[in-house]
Amino acid sequence: QVQLQESGPGLVKSSETLSLTCTVSGDSMRYYYWSWVRQTAGKGLDWIGRIYTTGKSQYNPSLKSRVTMSIDSSKNQLSLKLTSVTAADTAIFFCARGPRRDYFDSWGQGILVTVSS
Amino acid sequence: QSALTQPPSASGSPGHSVTISCTGTSSDVGGYNYVSWYQHHPGKAPKLLIYEVNKRPSGVPDRFSGSKSGNTASLTVSGLQAEDEAEYHCCSYAGSDNLVFGGGTKLTVL
Repeated sequence: QVQLQESGPGLVKSSETLSLTCTVSGDSMRYYYWSWVRQTAGKGLDWIGRIYTTGKSQYNPSLKSRVTMSIDSSKNQLSLKLTSVTAADTAIFFCARGPRRDYFDSWGQGILVTVSS
Repeated sequence: QSALTQPPSASGSPGHSVTISCTGTSSDVGGYNYVSWYQHHPGKAPKLLIYEVNKRPSGVPDRFSGSKSGNTASLTVSGLQAEDEAEYHCCSYAGSDNLVFGGGTKLTVL
């Protein structure tokens, strides 16, 4: 059974770059779409973007200018970079797997990232 | 795109049924049969309950069902159990490779 585990700094300074990694175990990354989703305090989920194992990516238009995703299938890892963060980017970040572009069949437990001033 | 609209909270007694709505527009919920629902117990990984409006992955009890009418999708939980107390999130394809989520609904089992 596939498992996803997010990792990275839990604290990032305002205006800096947030960098997270998701490590996938128990299955190949091939032929799946890999997404990042975040949940801000007291609010719902927010889709950040997705990347396919070919490296092709699509991002939420509201975040597109600040987001970069990459994938390393040989290491079973995907990564997220979010630049110029502010307090509004404080959230729990999840990585998720999708057999298709429209839904997710496996998720990580999430990692809380706090942006400090 | 704007977030889908879900009621912030819902509740029901054990054994009873509860329905959670998810309202969007013709550009997302109403325009595609690509609505999914997730159950999330805080601190744990969210779990897929429904995809393509009304399809259940293997292992998800048939107490969970999905439907759609116009721009509103719905998740019905029948035979409520204590472990159903969680947050529920809807998600819809919104065209141009975009996805949009709802604000989430906290379900309380009384």
